[in-house]
Amino acid sequence: AQRVTQPEKLLSVFKGAPVELKCNYSYSGSPELFWYVQYSRQRLQLLLRHISRESIKGFTADLNKGETSFHLKKPFAQEEDSAMYYCALTTSGTYKYIFGTGTRLKVLA
Amino acid sequence: EAGVAQSPRYKIIEKRQSVAFWCNPISGHATLYWYQQILGQGPKLLIQFQNNGVVDDSQLPKDRFSAERLKGVDSTLKIQPAKLEDSAVYLCASSLEGPSEQYFGPGTRLTVT
Repeated sequence: AQRVTQPEKLLSVFKGAPVELKCNYSYSGSPELFWYVQYSRQRLQLLLRHISRESIKGFTADLNKGETSFHLKKPFAQEEDSAMYYCALTTSGTYKYIFGTGTRLKVLA
Repeated sequence: EAGVAQSPRYKIIEKRQSVAFWCNPISGHATLYWYQQILGQGPKLLIQFQNNGVVDDSQLPKDRFSAERLKGVDSTLKIQPAKLEDSAVYLCASSLEGPSEQYFGPGTRLTVT
């Protein structure tokens, strides 16, 4: 069965420190992977997707098929990065979306 | 462009009552999703429509939940009768088609007492 695992419920870092939010997936096919973010009192929104290979707001994520991971990284955390982050996977064919349980990132001043 | 609209934003009902949620997706978006998000968990897909056809409803509790998307635009999700464990935020999202970016609505927070 398809699954997305985010092992950390809460991650606290100091401003300026590097950030890595972990995401592992289980899927036998060829996945499409996404990171969604929800800032306080805002809607869930797309942060980035692996297929575009972009850097958004300083965040990057690389798909590692060998380790079945799609970790989200940023070299220097900012206070405005504090939010809830969800890793998601879509399956080929029906494009069913599967979300992880989310990681709350707190960036401390 | 206008975003995904949902109503109501909040609803409190007693168990065994019925409730309905409405979603208006972004114009031109073929795919519409309903999610249930229980506190502390990620969104769980309940049903996915492609235009007005159902693509996936494998996690929809069909004995009490139903959904429809008339004319491939607006959608309603109904719960009848509600149980305490249905307390959650119900999110609607839409996308152009396939595995493209999803745009989420503000959600409806349901409390079943």
